[in-house]
Amino acid sequence: DTAVSQTPKYLVTQMGNDKSIKCEQNLGHDTMYWYKQDSKKFLKIMFSYNNKELIINETVPNRFSPKSPDKAHLNLHINSLELGDSAVYFCASSQDHVTGELFFGEGSRLTVL
Amino acid sequence: GESVGLHLPTLSVQEGDNSIINCAYSNSASDYFIWYKQESGKGPQFIIDIRSNMDKRQGQRVTVLLNKTVKHLSLQIAATQPGDSAVYFCAETAGDYKLSFGAGTTVTVRA
Repeated sequence: DTAVSQTPKYLVTQMGNDKSIKCEQNLGHDTMYWYKQDSKKFLKIMFSYNNKELIINETVPNRFSPKSPDKAHLNLHINSLELGDSAVYFCASSQDHVTGELFFGEGSRLTVL
Repeated sequence: GESVGLHLPTLSVQEGDNSIINCAYSNSASDYFIWYKQESGKGPQFIIDIRSNMDKRQGQRVTVLLNKTVKHLSLQIAATQPGDSAVYFCAETAGDYKLSFGAGTTVTVRA
């Protein structure tokens, strides 16, 4: 069973569209994250939720809105997509919010045309 | 915030040799450091971590060294294998729940 699964794996869309990426973890972890990886492989945290509560909200345009219906799920919705949103988005989870051992999903590659 | 950087973006190593991947960090408040490995098409995978009260920690074929005086972190891989080819990231946190990743070093293992 996949520990952290995210869908879709690939997403190609036009500028201005709205899209969502879903993430689920079956590890029983309390904390979940969204990271963005750009074309140079640089990983940057976007959001973190601990037990469904937002604890990290980096400087991310408010077109990006995370939603955590329960502690096993953290979805990312993006409005009015722009070219610069093209990247690989990784969901991750950890036992709690103070550990550095994150378990990452396989990524969702978003291409905005 | 301050970010974690890496000395070299690429490293080519002969199979069977030892690899050393270096990382410099600038946040003197960082107290917890982690190395991650990312294989092509996959998410990063935890390798080993070290807290600031230690200067060395060993795992299976890997050793992490921490030099707080010069803010330097390194990952040593013994007897490098083809499966070690990947991008390696160091990451750090200062206890503010935010794990900051460096730019990554791409390791290529030559047969």
